[in-house]
Amino acid sequence: AQRVTQPEKLLSVFKGAPVELKCNYSYSGSPELFWYVQYSRQRLQLLLRHISRESIKGFTADLNKGETSFHLKKPFAQEEDSAMYYCALADMTTDSWGKLQFGAGTQVVVTP
Amino acid sequence: SAVISQKPSRDICQRGTSLTIQCQVDSQVTMMFWYRQQPGQSLTLIATANQGSEATYESGFVIDKFPISRPNLTFSTLTVSNMSPEDSSIYLCSVWGRGSDYGYTFGSGTRLTVV
Repeated sequence: AQRVTQPEKLLSVFKGAPVELKCNYSYSGSPELFWYVQYSRQRLQLLLRHISRESIKGFTADLNKGETSFHLKKPFAQEEDSAMYYCALADMTTDSWGKLQFGAGTQVVVTP
Repeated sequence: SAVISQKPSRDICQRGTSLTIQCQVDSQVTMMFWYRQQPGQSLTLIATANQGSEATYESGFVIDKFPISRPNLTFSTLTVSNMSPEDSSIYLCSVWGRGSDYGYTFGSGTRLTVV
């Protein structure tokens, strides 16, 4: 069965410091991985998708199949980065196509 | 990306009653899903809403408790039936996008409180 683990429930960093949110997964096939962000009082938003290898709002995430990880990183945290971040894995097998498994989430607090 | 309108945004309901949540998408989408986010918890998939056929439910969720309709490719409803305080959660509609919108888009959610 697929599983997504975010070991940190809360991450507190100072503005300008690097931030890394950990995400590990277990999945027997080729994973489709995403990072979602939820700012206070806003809807859940797609932040990154591994397939695109993009950088959004200074965040990057690299899929490491050897370590089964998809950690989210930003070199210099900003106060507006304070939010809840979810790592998610999409099941693309025939029987379960499209199902999204979420990690428990990491609350990021950036202090000035 | 697809724009999802979900309503109501919040409601307070008496136990034993039912609430129907609507999800409207501004474009035709193949895949629509319903999620639940219990207080302080992550999101859990309730079911996949299939157009023209019965929804596909995840383990722990049953049609009698969470009936779902999907009459066309832009609209779906989720009903929370015979509610109890344990049903107090945020319920979210989600759609799957292709191409440049690859990934999931979520509605703003319905915050349900059962008293």
